[in-house]
Amino acid sequence: GNSVTQMEGPVTLSEEAFLTINCTYTATGYPSLFWYVQYPGEGLQLLLKATKADDKGSNKGFEATYRKETTSFHLEKGSVQVSDSAVYFCALSLLDGSGNTGKLIFGQGTTLQVKP
Amino acid sequence: DAGITQSPRHKVTETGTPVTLRCHQTENHRYMYWYRQDPGHGLRLIHYSYGVKDTDKGEVSDGYSVSRSKTEDFLLTLESATSSQTSVYFCAISGPTSAPYEQYFGPGTRLTVT
Repeated sequence: GNSVTQMEGPVTLSEEAFLTINCTYTATGYPSLFWYVQYPGEGLQLLLKATKADDKGSNKGFEATYRKETTSFHLEKGSVQVSDSAVYFCALSLLDGSGNTGKLIFGQGTTLQVKP
Repeated sequence: DAGITQSPRHKVTETGTPVTLRCHQTENHRYMYWYRQDPGHGLRLIHYSYGVKDTDKGEVSDGYSVSRSKTEDFLLTLESATSSQTSVYFCAISGPTSAPYEQYFGPGTRLTVT
């Protein structure tokens, strides 16, 4: 079936450290892939997306590359800030015979804490 | 920010009572979704709607029903609340492109069933 697996958290980093949050997926066909971010007490916000293999999504210094060979979509940032502290969710779009269904499957989320 | 509101934002209710949560959008988007968020499970889809009066089940629909009588409102009803339905509930919308997979989320409703 379709699923998304993220690395377990929490991830604790010092400011300006390099961030990687791993995400792998199992899916039929070639879904679109997403990273969402949730700040404390808020809903999820779309951070970046990639719609086909080898696409790189980027936003606010975060990047992720759609790797079909390894079924992965790892999130990276070169230098994290305290304001990046949040929960990060990897997600994929479900496909049916006619393409995207509009439904998403989410990973369990990874909490990032950045210390000054 | 997408114009999505949820009401109430917090609710405490007793086991066995019916509860209705409301999602309201001002974006005129076709697709609307209800999720629940629980520790260790991420977000799980309860029900979704692809148009007025058109709804379908998600992966955790048991004990929930929905209604969408107009584009802007999507209601989630817990027919007889149980403690296992204590959760944070999020509404999301998407559209108007032909590939409605980019979703925008409301602020959430924290529901506690005692």
